[in-house]
Amino acid sequence: DAGVIQSPRHEVTEMGQEVTLRCKPISGHNSLFWYRQTMMRGLELLIYFNNNVPIDDSGMPEDRFSAKMPNASFSTLKIQPSEPRDSAVYFCASSLQGYQPQHFGDGTRLSIL
Amino acid sequence: AQKITQTQPGMFVQEKEAVTLDCTYDTSDPSYGLFWYKQPSSGEMIFLIYQGSYDQQNATEGRYSLNFQKARKSANLVISASQLGDSAMYFCAMREGAGANSKLTFGKGITLSVRP
Repeated sequence: DAGVIQSPRHEVTEMGQEVTLRCKPISGHNSLFWYRQTMMRGLELLIYFNNNVPIDDSGMPEDRFSAKMPNASFSTLKIQPSEPRDSAVYFCASSLQGYQPQHFGDGTRLSIL
Repeated sequence: AQKITQTQPGMFVQEKEAVTLDCTYDTSDPSYGLFWYKQPSSGEMIFLIYQGSYDQQNATEGRYSLNFQKARKSANLVISASQLGDSAMYFCAMREGAGANSKLTFGKGITLSVRP
């Protein structure tokens, strides 16, 4: 079975550019999560969706960040404009509702110069 | 207060020996789930094991077992017969509630190094 698929795996761009990260959850999973991981702050939950509806976006750092889930098989996380402090590894994860484990994608390593 | 506490800064274990990674949690919700994830140097997050708050027995998955002590609010991961490939960062996480508003809270992680 295919796992959570994220693209791109690596992204290097200049400050001020728009960045779009993509995620395809595991088929049948109805919860999707976006995380950010840095050395300083560890693993932070940014936003999560249930049945394509955003449930909690309190972890989104600021208005420069936005996330969408137009259908059950696709989600995007956008940063516009990007800043060097946004450099991190961004993970997408999906799960069935309830206590089922979250399965993570391989992450996108983002570097903002 | 932190919901998940992992205080061991780094652990070392000899190959083929067992090792315990500590995790304590804090919740007032009677229904919750506890998870352990492994993150090797390659960066991916790998689910290892799950324990439900109402489970009567400790969870086991191959060489991984979870020492669940509910009254003490601890959920320690035990890795038996350590292998070199077990060297990684290990994260404990908790999910409170089962509905649409449940989300996972991660600890800061523990680094495990397995010595040959």
